[in-house]
Amino acid sequence: DIQLTQSPSFVSASVGDRVTIACRASQGVSSYLAWYQQKPGKAPKLLIYGASTLQSGVPSRFSGSASGTEFTLTISSLQPEDFATYYCQQLNTYPLTFGGGTKVEIK
Amino acid sequence: ELQLVGSGGGLVQPGGSLRLSCAASGFTFSSYWMTWVRQAPGKGLEWVANIKQDGSEKYYVDSVKGRFTISRDNAENSLYLQMNNLRAEDTAVYYCARATLYLNYWGQGTLVTVSS
Repeated sequence: DIQLTQSPSFVSASVGDRVTIACRASQGVSSYLAWYQQKPGKAPKLLIYGASTLQSGVPSRFSGSASGTEFTLTISSLQPEDFATYYCQQLNTYPLTFGGGTKVEIK
Repeated sequence: ELQLVGSGGGLVQPGGSLRLSCAASGFTFSSYWMTWVRQAPGKGLEWVANIKQDGSEKYYVDSVKGRFTISRDNAENSLYLQMNNLRAEDTAVYYCARATLYLNYWGQGTLVTVSS
């Protein structure tokens, strides 16, 4: 199975900060990687797919990038509504797997 | 309006069975792969199963193989998850999701609690 390791698992940040979340795959997943945002008590929401393509309706302060098996989600200027938990997911190989999550909290 | 409404969750004893349903509306259900994802209390997301548009292909995470069955009824715009021989570790919120490869729309989730 492909393991996805997210880091850090917890981020304390302020409004306006630039936040970067990493997701490392244990083997190649091509560009079949997505990022989701989940707020407490709510279903996850797709932010980025294909490693770097912004889902329709998602603010442009979110961006994704890839280098080999290393993937990054960046929030360029953190807004109050961005405080949530973020997950990466690989869809290259069954079983599909998620990273362990990164919780972004208010500093 | 696109909607996925999950139902069927509840409290069940270890070894018991439960059938989850997910009613779809607002899109052409038969055109999409569908997915079940679960989340144990306070934990991360875990992919459970996928089913192809016509039901001809199904995939499962190892921990549920032989116990869970994903199915769909395109005439009824419904997705199902039959869960047998339930274990305490199956306790979770179960989400159905529409897949265009990526999970671009999720239902609200239904809670399954396995406990004696």
